[in-house]
Amino acid sequence: AQKITQTQPGMFVQEKEAVTLDCTYDTSDQSYGLFWYKQPSSGEMIFLIYQGSYDEQNATEGRYSLNFQKARKSANLVISASQLGDSAMYFCAMTLDSNYQLIWGAGTKLIIKP
Amino acid sequence: DVKVTQSSRYLVKRTGEKVFLECVQDMDHENMFWYRQDPGLGLRLIYFSYDVKMKEKGDIPEGYSVSREKKERFSLILESASTNQTSMYLCASSLNENTEAFFGQGTRLTVV
Repeated sequence: AQKITQTQPGMFVQEKEAVTLDCTYDTSDQSYGLFWYKQPSSGEMIFLIYQGSYDEQNATEGRYSLNFQKARKSANLVISASQLGDSAMYFCAMTLDSNYQLIWGAGTKLIIKP
Repeated sequence: DVKVTQSSRYLVKRTGEKVFLECVQDMDHENMFWYRQDPGLGLRLIYFSYDVKMKEKGDIPEGYSVSREKKERFSLILESASTNQTSMYLCASSLNENTEAFFGQGTRLTVV
């Protein structure tokens, strides 16, 4: 069964430190995509980064990078030099070429301490 | 600037009422989705649509129906609202399954 697992319900990190948010996925499909979204307290869902299953290089977008380890089926989000504005819920999601749906993890609440 | 717009930010309805949640996107996207989000449960898919007049049930379709008469508009209907449908409802659209989904601002529905 297709599934996304985020094992960290909440994290506290000191400002300016790097943070890694864990995401593991389960699928037997060969072609899939992995996404990370941020949801601040205001409620909107903001797309951060995308990694395709055939992409050989880890995706990067500014301070965000995706540590993609295909053999381990993990797609961890790394935020470098965290800022107070990074405090939010973070969701990992997966889409399959065989399916229109996004499969979501339960999310990780990240709190950046000043 | 791409946009997904949900008709209401906050909504309070009475038990038994018929409720319409509207979602409009201006990106000519094929796929549209309705989710509900509850604390500790993440996002759960209610229905999605991959074309006009096409709809597919998601994980929790019971108590809901949808309508997509035009490509840009995807409506979620609660036929007879119940208190357990109190939740945050999120609409999203995407070009295809390999591109990111864009979300509306969410509708916080309270059924009393």
